[in-house]
Amino acid sequence: ETGVTQTPRHLVMGMTNKKSLKCEQHLGHNAMYWYKQSAKKPLELMFVYNFKEQTENNSVPSRFSPECPNSSHLFLHLHTLQPEDSALYLCASSGDRGLEAFFGQGTRLTVV
Amino acid sequence: DAKTTQPNSMESNEEEPVHLPCNHSTISGTDYIHWYRQLPSQGPEYVIHGLTSNVNNRMASLAIAEDRKSSTLILHRATLRDAAVYYCILRPNTGKLIFGQGTTLQVKP
Repeated sequence: ETGVTQTPRHLVMGMTNKKSLKCEQHLGHNAMYWYKQSAKKPLELMFVYNFKEQTENNSVPSRFSPECPNSSHLFLHLHTLQPEDSALYLCASSGDRGLEAFFGQGTRLTVV
Repeated sequence: DAKTTQPNSMESNEEEPVHLPCNHSTISGTDYIHWYRQLPSQGPEYVIHGLTSNVNNRMASLAIAEDRKSSTLILHRATLRDAAVYYCILRPNTGKLIFGQGTTLQVKP
């Protein structure tokens, strides 16, 4: 248990569906991140939020839409995804860069 | 973003020490050196971090070269549960963590 909780743990969705991934932390961290990990590849940073403001978007397609309503919650809204978007989506939170980041267990997404 | 270079894979025997190297010749003066590991089917897990001085914690030790251009993660007694991908990451002022390929550590009984 890392203090970062992601739901759901597994998700299967069709290409025309709309779904959302949720991430929650009560560690008092001000930064939250979304990462994508495809099979046998390193983690790719998708979005960064600091104090609820998006500070980084690494050229992520618009079919992925993040939302950070407060410092404890982060969402990733998904719509019209492609099969190649199937991956493990990881959320993380951190305080100051001199401190460790904590990762959730991830959501295993399969697009059919 | 400053890059790190790690061997793709390493092997160790159980209960022996393991030294995982990392080169980061373009490190800036304000970058922290972070190490994380990822066990199969799990999210990455923090291991240790440092800035200039060597660091010890219950999981591992971190030895940082005097010029900060390289570091070594030391697992004092490897167990089968230490088999994972180990990532060496430089964490800049922005705080973001950029992962590379890491080193896949195999531990043999």
